[in-house]
Amino acid sequence: DQQVKQNSPSLSVQEGRISILNCDYTNSMFDYFLWYKKYPAEGPTFLISISSIKDKNEDGRFTVFLNKSAKHLSLHIVPSQPGDSAVYFCAASVKGGSEKLVFGKGTKLTVNP
Amino acid sequence: DVKVTQSSRYLVKRTGEKVFLECVQDMDHENMFWYRQDPGLGLRLIYFSYDVKMKEKGDIPEGYSVSREKKERFSLILESASTNQTSMYLCASSEGLRGPALTFGAGSRLTVL
Repeated sequence: DQQVKQNSPSLSVQEGRISILNCDYTNSMFDYFLWYKKYPAEGPTFLISISSIKDKNEDGRFTVFLNKSAKHLSLHIVPSQPGDSAVYFCAASVKGGSEKLVFGKGTKLTVNP
Repeated sequence: DVKVTQSSRYLVKRTGEKVFLECVQDMDHENMFWYRQDPGLGLRLIYFSYDVKMKEKGDIPEGYSVSREKKERFSLILESASTNQTSMYLCASSEGLRGPALTFGAGSRLTVL
Protein backbone atom coordinates (compact mmCIF):
# COMPACT_ATOMS: atom_id res chain seq x y z
CA ASP A 1 0.00 0.00 0.00
CA GLN A 2 1.61 3.22 -1.19
CA GLN A 3 1.04 5.89 1.44
CA VAL A 4 2.67 8.75 -0.47
CA LYS A 5 1.87 9.03 -4.14
CA GLN A 6 3.39 11.15 -6.84
CA ASN A 7 1.25 10.28 -9.81
CA SER A 8 3.22 12.17 -12.43
CA PRO A 9 6.52 10.46 -13.21
CA SER A 10 7.64 13.44 -15.25
CA LEU A 11 6.88 17.09 -15.91
CA SER A 12 8.25 19.43 -18.57
CA VAL A 13 8.08 23.22 -18.19
CA GLN A 14 9.45 26.23 -20.02
CA GLU A 15 12.00 28.41 -18.29
CA GLY A 16 10.36 31.30 -16.47
CA ARG A 17 7.01 29.55 -16.10
CA ILE A 18 5.56 27.94 -12.98
CA SER A 19 6.29 24.30 -12.14
CA ILE A 20 3.69 22.53 -10.01
CA LEU A 21 4.56 19.15 -8.57
CA ASN A 22 1.83 17.22 -6.82
CA CYS A 23 1.75 14.68 -4.04
CA ASP A 24 -1.12 12.78 -2.43
CA TYR A 25 -1.07 10.82 0.79
CA THR A 26 -3.40 8.33 2.38
CA ASN A 27 -2.30 8.22 6.01
CA SER A 28 -4.17 10.86 8.00
CA MET A 29 -1.59 10.51 10.78
CA PHE A 30 1.08 12.23 8.69
CA ASP A 31 1.80 15.60 10.22
CA TYR A 32 5.01 16.75 8.57
CA PHE A 33 5.77 16.91 4.88
CA LEU A 34 8.99 17.54 3.00
CA TRP A 35 10.24 17.93 -0.52
CA TYR A 36 13.67 16.73 -1.63
CA LYS A 37 15.45 17.41 -4.88
CA LYS A 38 17.83 14.92 -6.46
CA TYR A 39 20.27 15.44 -9.28
CA PRO A 40 21.71 12.41 -11.12
CA ALA A 41 24.64 10.76 -9.32
CA GLU A 42 24.00 12.83 -6.18
CA GLY A 43 22.09 12.23 -2.98
CA PRO A 44 18.74 13.96 -2.40
CA THR A 45 18.90 17.39 -0.81
CA PHE A 46 16.26 18.84 1.45
CA LEU A 47 14.29 21.60 -0.23
CA ILE A 48 11.34 22.73 1.87
CA SER A 49 8.96 21.39 4.50
CA ILE A 50 5.57 22.10 6.00
CA SER A 51 3.89 21.15 9.22
CA SER A 52 0.26 20.06 9.27
CA ILE A 53 -0.64 23.12 11.32
CA LYS A 54 0.11 25.29 8.29
CA ASP A 55 -1.30 25.36 4.79
CA LYS A 56 1.52 27.21 3.09
CA ASN A 57 5.26 27.62 3.45
CA GLU A 58 7.45 29.77 1.26
CA ASP A 59 11.19 29.86 0.66
CA GLY A 60 12.28 32.07 -2.18
CA ARG A 61 11.05 30.63 -5.46
CA PHE A 62 9.66 27.54 -3.73
CA THR A 63 6.26 27.33 -2.06
CA VAL A 64 4.61 24.26 -0.63
CA PHE A 65 0.84 24.13 -0.19
CA LEU A 66 -0.93 21.64 2.03
CA ASN A 67 -4.61 20.71 1.74
CA LYS A 68 -5.28 18.42 4.67
CA SER A 69 -8.89 17.71 3.80
CA ALA A 70 -7.85 16.50 0.37
CA LYS A 71 -4.66 14.86 1.68
CA HIS A 72 -2.79 16.69 -1.00
CA LEU A 73 0.29 18.84 -1.16
CA SER A 74 1.98 20.63 -3.98
CA LEU A 75 5.29 22.29 -4.65
CA HIS A 76 5.30 25.45 -6.76
CA ILE A 77 8.48 26.73 -8.33
CA VAL A 78 8.26 30.26 -9.71
CA PRO A 79 9.97 31.16 -11.94
CA SER A 80 11.35 27.82 -13.07
CA GLN A 81 15.01 27.71 -14.09
CA PRO A 82 16.96 25.10 -16.06
CA GLY A 83 18.96 24.34 -12.91
CA ASP A 84 15.73 23.16 -11.28
CA SER A 85 15.72 20.14 -13.59
CA ALA A 86 15.92 17.19 -11.20
CA VAL A 87 13.85 14.47 -9.60
CA TYR A 88 11.65 15.76 -6.80
CA PHE A 89 10.57 13.48 -3.98
CA CYS A 90 7.70 14.16 -1.66
CA ALA A 91 8.01 12.68 1.82
CA ALA A 92 5.80 12.51 4.91
CA SER A 93 6.23 11.56 8.53
CA VAL A 94 4.20 10.89 11.64
CA LYS A 95 4.99 12.95 14.75
CA GLY A 96 7.93 14.53 12.97
CA GLY A 97 10.01 11.40 13.32
CA SER A 98 12.68 10.83 10.70
CA GLU A 99 12.54 7.07 11.16
CA LYS A 100 8.99 7.12 9.91
CA LEU A 101 9.70 9.16 6.79
CA VAL A 102 7.80 7.76 3.82
CA PHE A 103 8.84 8.81 0.31
CA GLY A 104 6.92 9.03 -2.92
CA LYS A 105 8.35 7.59 -6.12
CA GLY A 106 9.47 10.95 -7.43
CA THR A 107 8.66 13.29 -10.31
CA LYS A 108 11.30 14.16 -12.86
CA LEU A 109 11.13 17.86 -13.68
CA THR A 110 12.67 19.16 -16.87
CA VAL A 111 12.89 22.92 -17.34
CA ASN A 112 13.54 23.80 -20.95
CA PRO A 113 15.50 26.97 -21.81
CA ASP B 1 30.06 22.12 5.47
CA VAL B 2 28.37 19.18 7.15
CA LYS B 3 28.61 15.91 5.35
CA VAL B 4 27.50 12.37 4.97
CA THR B 5 30.23 10.49 3.18
CA GLN B 6 29.80 7.17 1.46
CA SER B 7 33.13 5.53 0.88
CA SER B 8 32.41 3.95 -2.49
CA ARG B 9 30.61 5.73 -5.31
CA TYR B 10 30.64 2.79 -7.71
CA LEU B 11 31.07 -0.90 -7.01
CA VAL B 12 30.84 -3.97 -9.20
CA LYS B 13 30.51 -7.30 -7.41
CA ARG B 14 29.72 -10.86 -8.35
CA THR B 15 26.75 -12.89 -7.21
CA GLY B 16 27.42 -14.47 -3.83
CA GLU B 17 30.07 -11.99 -2.77
CA LYS B 18 29.89 -10.25 0.60
CA VAL B 19 29.57 -6.50 0.15
CA PHE B 20 30.23 -3.72 2.64
CA LEU B 21 28.93 -0.21 2.10
CA GLU B 22 30.34 2.31 4.52
CA CYS B 23 28.86 5.61 5.59
CA VAL B 24 30.30 8.28 7.89
CA GLN B 25 28.65 11.49 9.09
CA ASP B 26 30.35 14.41 10.81
CA MET B 27 27.28 16.11 12.28
CA ASP B 28 27.04 14.12 15.52
CA HIS B 29 23.59 12.96 14.43
CA GLU B 30 21.83 10.30 16.46
CA ASN B 31 19.93 8.72 13.59
CA MET B 32 21.38 7.05 10.52
CA PHE B 33 19.61 5.36 7.64
CA TRP B 34 20.18 3.19 4.60
CA TYR B 35 17.86 3.55 1.61
CA ARG B 36 17.92 2.11 -1.84
CA GLN B 37 16.65 3.98 -4.84
CA ASP B 38 15.33 2.21 -7.91
CA PRO B 39 13.65 3.74 -10.98
CA GLY B 40 9.90 3.90 -10.55
CA LEU B 41 10.12 2.77 -6.92
CA GLY B 42 11.47 5.86 -5.22
CA LEU B 43 13.42 5.60 -1.97
CA ARG B 44 12.84 2.56 0.18
CA LEU B 45 14.15 2.25 3.72
CA ILE B 46 16.34 -0.79 4.38
CA TYR B 47 17.50 -0.25 7.96
CA PHE B 48 17.96 2.60 10.36
CA SER B 49 19.75 3.16 13.64
CA TYR B 50 18.89 5.62 16.37
CA ASP B 51 21.89 4.94 18.56
CA VAL B 52 25.18 3.09 18.66
CA LYS B 53 24.66 -0.66 18.45
CA MET B 54 20.94 -0.14 17.90
CA LYS B 55 19.20 -0.98 14.64
CA GLU B 56 15.68 -1.24 13.33
CA LYS B 57 14.36 -2.88 10.18
CA GLY B 58 12.91 -0.68 7.53
CA ASP B 59 10.57 -1.67 4.74
CA ILE B 60 12.92 -3.98 2.81
CA PRO B 61 15.53 -5.50 5.19
CA GLU B 62 15.67 -8.93 3.56
CA GLY B 63 19.13 -9.79 2.31
CA TYR B 64 20.78 -6.97 4.26
CA SER B 65 22.29 -6.40 7.66
CA VAL B 66 23.82 -3.33 9.30
CA SER B 67 26.40 -2.41 11.87
CA ARG B 68 26.78 0.70 13.98
CA GLU B 69 29.74 0.40 16.31
CA LYS B 70 30.42 4.13 16.47
CA LYS B 71 28.00 7.05 16.39
CA GLU B 72 29.42 8.49 13.19
CA ARG B 73 29.60 5.28 11.17
CA PHE B 74 26.83 3.07 9.79
CA SER B 75 27.61 0.13 7.55
CA LEU B 76 25.33 -1.80 5.24
CA ILE B 77 26.24 -5.42 4.61
CA LEU B 78 25.06 -7.69 1.84
CA GLU B 79 25.96 -11.15 3.09
CA SER B 80 25.58 -12.80 -0.30
CA ALA B 81 24.98 -10.33 -3.09
CA SER B 82 22.34 -11.11 -5.68
CA THR B 83 21.54 -9.45 -9.00
CA ASN B 84 18.30 -7.99 -7.63
CA GLN B 85 20.39 -5.98 -5.21
CA THR B 86 21.82 -3.95 -8.07
CA SER B 87 20.76 -0.46 -7.09
CA MET B 88 21.70 3.00 -5.86
CA TYR B 89 22.26 2.91 -2.09
CA LEU B 90 21.82 6.10 -0.12
CA CYS B 91 22.97 6.72 3.41
CA ALA B 92 21.39 9.52 5.45
CA SER B 93 21.48 10.94 8.94
CA SER B 94 19.31 13.20 11.08
CA GLU B 95 19.26 14.85 14.47
CA GLY B 96 17.05 12.98 16.87
CA LEU B 97 14.94 15.77 18.28
CA ARG B 98 14.91 18.53 15.68
CA GLY B 99 12.63 17.37 12.95
CA PRO B 100 12.86 14.75 10.28
CA ALA B 101 14.97 16.45 7.60
CA LEU B 102 17.52 13.92 6.45
CA THR B 103 20.98 14.74 5.14
CA PHE B 104 21.95 12.29 2.44
CA GLY B 105 25.26 11.10 1.13
CA ALA B 106 26.05 11.11 -2.57
CA GLY B 107 25.09 7.47 -2.99
CA SER B 108 26.81 4.21 -3.87
CA ARG B 109 25.93 2.63 -7.18
CA LEU B 110 26.21 -1.15 -6.77
CA THR B 111 26.13 -3.51 -9.72
CA VAL B 112 25.93 -7.23 -9.01
CA LEU B 113 26.86 -9.44 -11.94
